[in-house]
Amino acid sequence: QVQLVQSGAEVKKPGASVKVSCKASGYTFTGYYMHWVRQAPGQGLEWMGWINPNNGGTNYAQKFQGWATMTRDTSISTAYMELSRLRSDDTAVYYCGREGGSTQGGLDYWGQGTLVTVSS
Amino acid sequence: EIVLTQSPGTLSLSPGERATLSCRASQSVSSSYLAWYQQKPGQAPRLLIYGASSRATGIPDRFSGSGSGTDFTLTISRLEPEDFAVYYCQQYGSSPPLFTFGPGTKVDIK
Repeated sequence: QVQLVQSGAEVKKPGASVKVSCKASGYTFTGYYMHWVRQAPGQGLEWMGWINPNNGGTNYAQKFQGWATMTRDTSISTAYMELSRLRSDDTAVYYCGREGGSTQGGLDYWGQGTLVTVSS
Repeated sequence: EIVLTQSPGTLSLSPGERATLSCRASQSVSSSYLAWYQQKPGQAPRLLIYGASSRATGIPDRFSGSGSGTDFTLTISRLEPEDFAVYYCQQYGSSPPLFTFGPGTKVDIK
C-alpha cells in the first residue's frame, strides 16, 4: 500500500534552516510528482511547490522561489523540502503529497505532516 | 493569478441533512483540474473529488462534485457523523501559481 512517512517535529530558531523528509513506499517513487503544502496553526492550506522525482525538476510557488529547495534521493525513495531563513510565521505543519497519476492534479496520498516550530 | 473563494465559511447542519459547499474562482478554471479535499483536526487532507466530479478511490457516493468555469459545488447528500470537517477546493492551472487552495468551509454539527 502507498505510504508517505515524514520526519519528526522540529524546533528551530529564527534565521535557521529546516529540512523535512518524506519517504515513499508501495509505489514507483519516480513515477509521480511530489508536492509540498504547509498549514499554519488554525489556517488553511498553502501550496509550496512540486518536484518531479524522475529528473529532479521543480516548480515553486512564487513566494517560495529562492527560499525553499526541493530535492530527492531516488535510491531511498525520499523527497526533501528545505526552508531557509526561518521566521516565526513559518511555524506550520508541512505536508508532502503525491500527485496521482490519473487524478488530474489531485493529491491522492499525503504524509502525516511535520510540525516545524520557529521560536527564539 | 486565480483566487478561489469558498462559501459559506461555516455550515452548521445535523446528521442526515444535505450539505452544499461552493467554490468560486476569480477566472475560469479547467474543470479537469478542480479538486476537493476533506480535513479533520490533526489529520492530513484527504482527496475526495478530482476533475470536478470524479470521486477518488474509496470515497462514498454520498459525496459528489459538479460545476464548470468559475463555479463549482461539493454536495454531501446525507451527512454522516464522520463528515463533520473542513473542506477545501483546489485548482491546478497552467500559469503561476500552478496550485491554489480555497480558504475552506467548515461543516460543523448544529
